[in-house]
Amino acid sequence: DVKVTQSSRYLVKRTGEKVFLECVQDMDHENMFWYRQDPGLGLRLIYFSYDVKMKEKGDIPEGYSVSREKKERFSLILESASTNQTSMYLCASSSISGDNQPQHFGDGTRLSIL
Amino acid sequence: RKEVEQDPGPFNVPEGATVAFNCTYSNSASQSFFWYRQDCRKEPKLLMSVYSSGNEDGRFTAQLNRASQYISLLIRDSKLSDSATYLCVVNMIGSYQKVTFGTGTKLQVIP
Repeated sequence: DVKVTQSSRYLVKRTGEKVFLECVQDMDHENMFWYRQDPGLGLRLIYFSYDVKMKEKGDIPEGYSVSREKKERFSLILESASTNQTSMYLCASSSISGDNQPQHFGDGTRLSIL
Repeated sequence: RKEVEQDPGPFNVPEGATVAFNCTYSNSASQSFFWYRQDCRKEPKLLMSVYSSGNEDGRFTAQLNRASQYISLLIRDSKLSDSATYLCVVNMIGSYQKVTFGTGTKLQVIP
């Protein structure tokens, strides 16, 4: 089974802090993704990475950055946290080999910015 | 028009009933399709892929209609444990995956 592990289930930070969310997958997947999920808006893609040190902006990258130094790890960084970044953050990974490869999600991190 | 649209529901159905959800997509170049299940305050989990010829997994049947650009999920003999939000997912396969999630359809199975 694919295992995607996010470092924290719940996190509380203050406005202006730099926040790191970590994600590790154990299936040697090439693709990794960061989403946020808010009521009524569904999942929105923040950034994704298709290889080590490679990254692409998703639909809502403003206020975020990412790092992928190793294939198994994809980090999301909130440079200066703001209250509108309070959300559920979900990491996912997928393989590029073969057709019809779904994404597999971590448990999610509920982040509150005070 | 949204890229992927779902009726948010909720669909309230009695145990044992059959229920079906549709999901429409706007991009005719979409190539692969999935249904995910998401329980309250949990992560989405893959329920099943959707194949061109249609596919079945126990009480769940998924179908794809490319001409009308929609996918469907049919649940037979609903169980209380089927209560969840069902997300449809549309992929455009290329060098980098372009994946779009629907906002989900909420199902409540009542005793």
